[in-house]
Amino acid sequence: TQLLEQSPQFLSIQEGENLTVYCNSSSVFSSLQWYRQEPGEGPVLLVTVVTGGEVKKLKRLTFQFGDARKDSSLHITAAQPGDTGLYLCAGGSSNTGKLIFGQGTTLQVKP
Amino acid sequence: KAGVTQTPRYLIKTRGQQVTLSCSPISGHRSVSWYQQTPGQGLQFLFEYFSETQRNKGNFPGRFSGRQFSNSRSEMNVSTLELGDSALYLCASSPRGPGGGTEAFFGQGTRLTVV
Repeated sequence: TQLLEQSPQFLSIQEGENLTVYCNSSSVFSSLQWYRQEPGEGPVLLVTVVTGGEVKKLKRLTFQFGDARKDSSLHITAAQPGDTGLYLCAGGSSNTGKLIFGQGTTLQVKP
Repeated sequence: KAGVTQTPRYLIKTRGQQVTLSCSPISGHRSVSWYQQTPGQGLQFLFEYFSETQRNKGNFPGRFSGRQFSNSRSEMNVSTLELGDSALYLCASSPRGPGGGTEAFFGQGTRLTVV
C-alpha cells in the first residue's frame, strides 16, 4: 500500500516568516503534485513535478521532488495571510493510475 | 473553459436513505475520479472512471458505486447511508488519468450530512 506522510500537520506562523512542509514515502511515484485547499472548496493544483531532483518555483513558493522520487518539499518564503489554507501533496503512479494524498498540512499565517 | 461542476453543493440525508451526486468534468477530459474527504481520514480515493469504464477502485464498501456517461459526466451513488458517510465528496477530472503526472482538476465538492 502506498502511503504519503506529510509534516507538520499544523503550522501557525507570523506574516513574513519562512516555512517548509515535507511529504515523505517509502514508495516511488511517477509524479508528485501539490494542492492548496480553502474551507468548503475543492483542492486547487499548485504544481506538478515529475523528474527526480526537479525544483519548481511559483513566486514565493518553491517545490522540490526528491532524487529518488519518494519525497517532496514545499518551501514558502515570507508567508502572507493569503497563504493560509490546507496544503496537500499527492503522489501519482502511472502503474496504478491512482493519486494518493497525504493527510495535509494546515497553515495559518497571522498578520 | 468551464471548470469541474459538482451538484448539489450541500445535501442532508437520513440514515438508510440513498444519494446520488453528479460531476461534470472539464470539456475534453475523459477521466473522472471521486474522493471522500473527512477530517479524520483526509482525502480517500473512491474510484476512477475513464471512457465509461471503472478503471480503478479504492477500499470502500459496495454501497459506494459510480458510473460515467458517454459525455464523460459521472455520478456516484451511496446506498443505505450511515452516519460515517458524512463527508465532503470531491470529483476530479483529468485528460487521461491522475496517476501518470497529468493534472487533476477538482470541483468544489458536495457536502453530505447524514443525520
